[in-house]
Amino acid sequence: TQLLEQSPQFLSIQEGENLTVYCNSSSVFSSLQWYRQEPGEGPVLLVTVVTGGEVKKLKRLTFQFGDARKDSSLHITAAQPGDTGLYLCAAHFGNEKLTFGTGTRLTIIP
Amino acid sequence: DAGITQSPRHKVTETGTPVTLRCHQTENHRYMYWYRQDPGHGLRLIHYSYGVKDTDKGEVSDGYSVSRSKTEDFLLTLESATSSQTSVYFCAISFGLGSTDTQYFGPGTRLTVL
Repeated sequence: TQLLEQSPQFLSIQEGENLTVYCNSSSVFSSLQWYRQEPGEGPVLLVTVVTGGEVKKLKRLTFQFGDARKDSSLHITAAQPGDTGLYLCAAHFGNEKLTFGTGTRLTIIP
Repeated sequence: DAGITQSPRHKVTETGTPVTLRCHQTENHRYMYWYRQDPGHGLRLIHYSYGVKDTDKGEVSDGYSVSRSKTEDFLLTLESATSSQTSVYFCAISFGLGSTDTQYFGPGTRLTVL
């Protein structure tokens, strides 16, 4: 079973600050997805990245796929309370089923 | 929102009793999945289905069985529940199995085994 490590595990920052969370593996991904999960709900897909070095933006969220296809980052600019939630990365390793990371629990303090 | 419902949403049961969780979809997606979510472990795949009566094991399948007699329903059964199966269970669906296919998740079932 492939492992996806996310860091930090917990992050609590003030509204308006910037932050970056990371997703890393020792193996190459064929694709990488980021999900956000709010309390009492299932995860919801934010973005899929498939090309090494790819950068995608979703409003104040910037997603980057590492050149070596072993890591990804999510950067949030000017965090807002609505960004609070559990952020999960998930990867396909070759033809294997989707593997989820352990998550980063983000809290934005108003 | 994808049309996925799970029932029950909450359940408390005792060790040794059988438990069945139901996932129902209205999207006619071919693939359905059962995951469990535990602190420090993220989401782990229990079983998945690639069609009616076609199922396969995931990473943590021991102690669980599944059935899919109709496209829209995927059942997860704990034959004899144990305290280690206390968890939040999520059903998901996807149109395909490709690396860019999106998985849509249900709202989850919180199961407590005493």
